[in-house]
Amino acid sequence: SAVISQKPSRDICQRGTSLTIQCQVDSQVTMMFWYRQQPGQSLTLIATANQGSEATYESGFVIDKFPISRPNLTFSTLTVSNMSPEDSSIYLCSIKRDSYEQYFGPGTRLTVT
Amino acid sequence: GDSVTQMEGPVTLSEEAFLTINCTYTATGYPSLFWYVQYPGEGLQLLLKATKADDKGSNKGFEATYRKETTSFHLEKGSVQVSDSAVYFCALGGNEKLTFGTGTRLTIIP
Repeated sequence: SAVISQKPSRDICQRGTSLTIQCQVDSQVTMMFWYRQQPGQSLTLIATANQGSEATYESGFVIDKFPISRPNLTFSTLTVSNMSPEDSSIYLCSIKRDSYEQYFGPGTRLTVT
Repeated sequence: GDSVTQMEGPVTLSEEAFLTINCTYTATGYPSLFWYVQYPGEGLQLLLKATKADDKGSNKGFEATYRKETTSFHLEKGSVQVSDSAVYFCALGGNEKLTFGTGTRLTIIP
């Protein structure tokens, strides 16, 4: 497994503002992912973030709303821009270490008021 | 595209009862199958996995068998404990992303 940390663990933000979520891994990984878990819902993939290339976004998610950085093999950020109450969710980063398994960070619980 | 259909919840059982949470999938190719668990207030943890047909994943008394003929990966446990109360997610994955089911909230009462 791996040690994955996220900051902040939770935040309450005003609508129209932006929040940047950090994901730090204790060792180098090629593939990192960002997921959203809306209240009472399952996880939905936002984008795949590989170091050295642009993030690949899933249908329904766009770079202007969820810009992602991946400056090195142990770190990534997700920004939730121009927030609305509909963005209230848990945001999770995950890594893929071998061919099959993904490991998840503890999540960032975001509430937009 | 790939999809996972998971047993609707919530599920409430008495301690020491037998547990089954159904999961079926639709996928192209030969995906790997996973069960993840989310305990109250905690992050998502990998519970078990199976990477090919007829594989059985097991962990903490939970088991699931990759059934290609029925495209299923049902989670079972012979005797549940209060500490098993959590949300359980079935997921499938190929080379990259995971596709999750809707999750099943399990509550075990003493």
